[in-house]
Amino acid sequence: AQTVTQSQPEMSVQEAETVTLSCTYDTSESNYYLFWYKQPPSRQMILVIRQEAYKQQNATENRFSVNFQKAAKSFSLKISDSQLGDTAMYFCAFMKRDNAGNMLTFGGGTRLMVKP
Amino acid sequence: EAGVAQSPRYKIIEKRQSVAFWCNPISGHATLYWYQQILGQGPKLLIQFQNNGVVDDSQLPKDRFSAERLKGVDSTLKIQPAKLEDSAVYLCASSPPGGGEQFFGPGTRLTVL
Repeated sequence: AQTVTQSQPEMSVQEAETVTLSCTYDTSESNYYLFWYKQPPSRQMILVIRQEAYKQQNATENRFSVNFQKAAKSFSLKISDSQLGDTAMYFCAFMKRDNAGNMLTFGGGTRLMVKP
Repeated sequence: EAGVAQSPRYKIIEKRQSVAFWCNPISGHATLYWYQQILGQGPKLLIQFQNNGVVDDSQLPKDRFSAERLKGVDSTLKIQPAKLEDSAVYLCASSPPGGGEQFFGPGTRLTVL
């Protein structure tokens, strides 16, 4: 079974600054995906960024980038130029990769507050 | 492209009552998931369907929860009878053939009094 741990229950950052959210995971699988999802107060879970474990290059999506350390089983999210709209819960999630759909295993979440 | 639809958005019931939630996935998505998200926690899978068959229901409390996806499209999740600890957001998600990213609906917030 997989486990995902987010050690920072809450974080805050000033608008326009950079913040890094931490995530560690444990698995015996060699082929998997890792995700960061954003959940604003509206509750809609929105995909922020995805990393495939076989890819060494870290994924980036505009202001969002990850630091994927496979050997250390670490997957942190960096948000650059933070905006007020980034205020939300952020969840790290693991999915085993095969040809079928697979469940997501989520961490406990980090509440991010962006301050003006 | 329409997203994952869920209804109702909110539901308040007394304990021991019954409740049902509905989900319509994105067209063409073969896999459908129901997650339970208790306040302050990450979502936890309740059940996964592939077309109209159950792939994983190992974490579904089968004495009170049931789910179906009869025609391989929309799905209903039922709780009967509800307990106080069932208060949570129930999220539905779907993914296309081949797996990969899951797309989530807006969720149903259930309050059991």
